[in-house]
Amino acid sequence: DIQMTQSPSSLSASVGDRVTITCRASQSISSYLNWYQQKPGKAPKLLIYAASSLQSGVPSRFSGSGSGTDFTLTISSLQPEDFATYYCQQSYSTLPFTFGPGTKVDIK
Amino acid sequence: QITLKESGPTLVKPTQTLTLTCTFSGFSLSTSGVGVGWIRQPPGKALEWLALIYWDDDKRYSPSLKSRLTITKDTSKNQVVLTMTNMDPVDTATYYCAHAVVAADDAFDIWGQGTMVTVSS
Repeated sequence: DIQMTQSPSSLSASVGDRVTITCRASQSISSYLNWYQQKPGKAPKLLIYAASSLQSGVPSRFSGSGSGTDFTLTISSLQPEDFATYYCQQSYSTLPFTFGPGTKVDIK
Repeated sequence: QITLKESGPTLVKPTQTLTLTCTFSGFSLSTSGVGVGWIRQPPGKALEWLALIYWDDDKRYSPSLKSRLTITKDTSKNQVVLTMTNMDPVDTATYYCAHAVVAADDAFDIWGQGTMVTVSS
């Protein structure tokens, strides 16, 4: 399996802050990296696919970058509705298409 | 508008077989480039990818669970069924089905609300 790690595991931030979450794969996955947002009691929501493509309807303050093994999700100006847990997922050819352990973003 | 909804038992006993149904609307699983997958999430834990079936009936499974999983589709009923044999308390989780798009690198762009399954005697 390709192992996915995320850092930090949690962070506290204020509205308006710039937030960056890192995801690392145990081997190269090219740009086959997706980001999801999950709020408590809700299903995940796709934010970014193919490392940097913004899903339709997702605010432009979300952006993704990276390739190979290192990826980042950036929220340029944190909004109240952005407090949630964020997961990366690899969808390279190797099964399973593993998810990372998640990064919880809460209010400072 | 694409929607998906999971259905199945909320409680199963250890060693039993779990059968979950994903009923969807707004797309056809006979359309090229489309898939439906299953993902689960134990309480308070991370997401786990389980299986994915494509429009052409190609099926992908998590290698660690492959011996226990079967995914099938009924295009006429707009349903995807996941069966998991030999259930164990560690399989207690919320199970989600989700729409996948090959053109978006098999990312899950639309999710069902999830169904909680508890494994207990």
